[in-house]
Amino acid sequence: NAGVTQTPKFQVLKTGQSMTLQCAQDMNHEYMSWYRQDPGMGLRLIHYSVGAGITDQGEVPNGYNVSRSTTEDFPLRLLSAAPSQTSVYFCASSIDRGLSPLHFGNGTRLTVT
Amino acid sequence: AQKITQTQPGMFVQEKEAVTLDCTYDTSDPSYGLFWYKQPSSGEMIFLIYQGSYDQQNATEGRYSLNFQKARKSANLVISASQLGDSAMYFCAMRSANQAGTALIFGKGTTLSVSS
Repeated sequence: NAGVTQTPKFQVLKTGQSMTLQCAQDMNHEYMSWYRQDPGMGLRLIHYSVGAGITDQGEVPNGYNVSRSTTEDFPLRLLSAAPSQTSVYFCASSIDRGLSPLHFGNGTRLTVT
Repeated sequence: AQKITQTQPGMFVQEKEAVTLDCTYDTSDPSYGLFWYKQPSSGEMIFLIYQGSYDQQNATEGRYSLNFQKARKSANLVISASQLGDSAMYFCAMRSANQAGTALIFGKGTTLSVSS
């Protein structure tokens, strides 16, 4: 009963490095999304996808890329890491893009020095 | 604009007592969903309960119930018979069809501390 799986759990990057946060779900969910959680700012939407091959920007997309080649996977790419991207990142999925609950992965704590 | 307000930064309750966590929301969309999530110190986000804007009855899930008052735009979470494991941050959130990306809009959270 895996649900939403995120890797890695922790990551430290130097400014300018790139990396990919992995997200996979085994619930055949149509909708997948990435959020970042910052103290005092709550959770904010970075990018989302309503199905394979379809992605769109959320509230805070700058500095991040996504792709959705399969229903299961939705990786988040940091192109050139900046200290402002230090955050906790959550991947979340729901059965559709309607009003159904989002199910979250366990999060990735990223530090950019 | 869509907004969720949680006015209680911290709440304290003794084991076996009931506690109410407040949440008010603002939206002009007639169709929306209201959610509560629990975030323990380990960091994961756990879905607790859902209430649809057209639901006539208040949602319940085990010890959790949602006191939905549509006219007042409030969606308070009631936890009955608190347990030590209920100590966590609790977030109220809303999702509406007209919100860009049908994103979850979160409140700032309430920290619940349960003592023995």
